[in-house]
Amino acid sequence: AQRVTQPEKLLSVFKGAPVELKCNYSYSGSPELFWYVQYSRQRLQLLLRHISRESIKGFTADLNKGETSFHLKKPFAQEEDSAMYYCVLGGSQGNLIFGKGTKLSVKP
Amino acid sequence: NAGVMQNPRHLVRRRGQEARLRCSPMKGHSHVYWYRQLPEEGLKFMVYLQKENIIDESGMPKERFSAEFPKEGPSILRIQQVVRGDSAAYFCASSRNSYEQYFGPGTRLTVT
Repeated sequence: AQRVTQPEKLLSVFKGAPVELKCNYSYSGSPELFWYVQYSRQRLQLLLRHISRESIKGFTADLNKGETSFHLKKPFAQEEDSAMYYCVLGGSQGNLIFGKGTKLSVKP
Repeated sequence: NAGVMQNPRHLVRRRGQEARLRCSPMKGHSHVYWYRQLPEEGLKFMVYLQKENIIDESGMPKERFSAEFPKEGPSILRIQQVVRGDSAAYFCASSRNSYEQYFGPGTRLTVT
């Protein structure tokens, strides 16, 4: 079965603290994984994809096939990072399979 | 480029009525996807279309739901004889290739 699990519904940290949003997936074959973000009153947008191996807005995510994980990390959280974050798996038919999302709240 | 457009943004229907949701993809995009988001849930895939073709409708309920993407005009998601359980946010996404999808703002359907 193709599935994405985000165990934390809500994650609250203070500004400047490190952040890790957890994501585990289930997929047979080579997965394509993404993080999408939705800021308040904005549409859902792509944050990063694992194959590009880039850092966007200070966020990185490493695909760990052994642990079937794709955790999103940032060393120093900023208030403007507060948003809803979705871990997403590329399905076999070209569709996207979403986790339930983690709401990140960064407090001043 | 205006991005993916969806209308209406909010739609209220009584039980038994029909709901029509429209999606205009980004310029140059020929792939359209519809997703549904129930409260407290992530987005769930419904259907994937290219112009005049349904590529994958494995996420569509078997009855009352249909989708089209005609040669001209927007993609339409149609829900006949709506029930309270159809109340949700419906998102459309478009892409040039499959995975880099750009999302619209969504249509929030409320069935009373």
